[in-house]
Amino acid sequence: GQQLNQSPQSMFIQEGEDVSMNCTSSSIFNTWLWYKQDPGEGPVLLIALYKAGELTSNGRLTAQFGITRKDSFLNISASIPSDVGIYFCASMDKIIFGKGTRLHILP
Amino acid sequence: GEEVAQTPKHLVRGEGQKAKLYCAPIKGHSYVFWYQQVLKNEFKFLISFQNENVFDETGMPKERFSAKCLPNSPCSLEIQATKLEDSAVYFCASSQFRRDTVNYGYTFGSGTRLTVV
Repeated sequence: GQQLNQSPQSMFIQEGEDVSMNCTSSSIFNTWLWYKQDPGEGPVLLIALYKAGELTSNGRLTAQFGITRKDSFLNISASIPSDVGIYFCASMDKIIFGKGTRLHILP
Repeated sequence: GEEVAQTPKHLVRGEGQKAKLYCAPIKGHSYVFWYQQVLKNEFKFLISFQNENVFDETGMPKERFSAKCLPNSPCSLEIQATKLEDSAVYFCASSQFRRDTVNYGYTFGSGTRLTVV
């Protein structure tokens, strides 16, 4: 079946560093969504992308919908402790999620 | 309300027992989705509803799982004769819009952690 491949699986960074993660698919999608999940909570939508090539920002977060419509990336600038969590890409075309990127911030 | 309310937060069942989970979508949201999140963080889509009608049930294990969204009642997901592999967090999400319109507006609840022992 269709899958979204997220990388990296986990990241360990220092506070203040920038973060980049991506999501790829073998299929073309019409939407890309990025969610963050905190422990014990449901995912919260960060950014939604609807057009190929679209670049959208939400505070320190920036996401882009790849021109081929088969990939997307999420960047977080100047990371802070509350950025810790699991980041998921998702497509609601086929209601599927990637396996997540777990972000750890080192003291 | 402005949040998706899932109950209970935790549920423990012996293998073979029935489990029933509830979800109250945000008022005015006509689409409800159920997902199962297992230990490796993977989300598996189970079923979606448009009001009380099943919209997409392609992820639903038919034998033991059933779900309903009746008017004026919380939606429910029921597992008959639970198995150990049903242990997971079950999330409900609701949306005002169809998946093929611009603004998805999916809001997730906090989940129900089901532990089958």
